[in-house]
Amino acid sequence: TQLLEQSPQFLSIQEGENLTVYCNSSSVFSSLQWYRQEPGEGPVLLVTVVTGGEVKKLKRLTFQFGDARKDSSLHITAAQPGDTGLYLCAGAIANFGNEKLTFGTGTRLTIIP
Amino acid sequence: DTGVSQNPRHKITKRGQNVTFRCDPISEHNRLYWYRQTLGQGPEFLTYFQNEAQLEKSRLLSDRFSAERPKGSFSTLEIQRTEQGDSAMYLCASSYAQRSPLHFGNGTRLTVT
Repeated sequence: TQLLEQSPQFLSIQEGENLTVYCNSSSVFSSLQWYRQEPGEGPVLLVTVVTGGEVKKLKRLTFQFGDARKDSSLHITAAQPGDTGLYLCAGAIANFGNEKLTFGTGTRLTIIP
Repeated sequence: DTGVSQNPRHKITKRGQNVTFRCDPISEHNRLYWYRQTLGQGPEFLTYFQNEAQLEKSRLLSDRFSAERPKGSFSTLEIQRTEQGDSAMYLCASSYAQRSPLHFGNGTRLTVT
């Protein structure tokens, strides 16, 4: 069973600060995805990383896939209230593609204006 | 783009009753997925379809759960003899191909009293 642990579980910071969220596993994933979920809605895909060591940027968000493809991080620069939400990482295993994602436990982020 | 549609959005039922949820995927997507999300957790994979064929089922999907996608378009998830532990958000997602991104609906929140 592949498990993904996210840390921290909760994070509350002031607007304008930087933060990093971590997603760790003992399993190797063929790709790793990051989603953001708002209350009462389904998760929305932010990014997919595929190659070990890969770094992707999405405006103020920087995503990195670990060299061994077991972990990932999400860094947000100059956080804004609109960044508030539940951030989920999800790993795909080679034989299944995106068909059987393993989701992490989530990081609930609150940005205080 | 109408997105993935799920109905109903909320369902409250008494223990022992049967419930059925519906998911309408994005029209050109041939893959459809069901996930369950309990409070404070990430989504957990339940099952997925490629067209009308159900290709994978999680151990979480007990005999009381059945999913169908009879014409390869919409899908239904039925829970028989509901238990309080079935209370959760049931999320549906669809994708165009095996490695294509998943598009989630906004879920059906089930409360079993």
